[in-house]
Amino acid sequence: GAGVSQSPRYKVAKRGQDVALRCDPISGHVSLFWYQQALGQGPEFLTYFQNEAQLDKSGLPSDRFFAERPEGSVSTLKIQRTQQEDSAVYLCASSRQVAGGPSEQFFGPGTRLTVL
Amino acid sequence: GNSVTQMEGPVTLSEEAFLTINCTYTATGYPSLFWYVQYPGEGLQLLLKATKADDKGSNKGFEATYRKETTSFHLEKGSVQVSDSAVYFCALSYYSNYQLIWGAGTKLIIKP
Repeated sequence: GAGVSQSPRYKVAKRGQDVALRCDPISGHVSLFWYQQALGQGPEFLTYFQNEAQLDKSGLPSDRFFAERPEGSVSTLKIQRTQQEDSAVYLCASSRQVAGGPSEQFFGPGTRLTVL
Repeated sequence: GNSVTQMEGPVTLSEEAFLTINCTYTATGYPSLFWYVQYPGEGLQLLLKATKADDKGSNKGFEATYRKETTSFHLEKGSVQVSDSAVYFCALSYYSNYQLIWGAGTKLIIKP
């Protein structure tokens, strides 16, 4: 596609609800990242996929957070039993390369999650 | 651990003024350094990057030089425009294509 897309753009959830955030990376991009961005802060790494393999999930804040990329393209970040501290913008980024030199990450517009 | 520190914003300038946004980092070895920009209502996009000491990244009139001796990567532009108003993020990465570590961002406001 033309760029990374994310849906929904905005999500309001009641505390305790489960949410699913979708990311459509640029076609053919091998690497996919999820970041969490709190208001007024820089993004913080959550997890990294190389094709369908989740190679790093060290940034996921708790076991309520789960991400998948079953066919190596679209990815879903799922948050179970949402809490107020989960309120943030969730960013998805994709990159063409696997390794071999710093390559640009292309970012989607983000999903703003508000937990009431 | 690795970290990036940026000057706090907002930074407010008049059109055609000279811009400097400071960025320093703490890291071992030789990270790659990046500046990303986020325009209002848009996603983050790469502005420029540098991969080794003394490299200068440049794009759209912006420049930044990788200074290992001062662990800095300050962003500069000689004459800013209203359209440069955005939030600017400095970031580093050790492994190619992996785990960007970000500063908190600096909001830039350019007044006509």
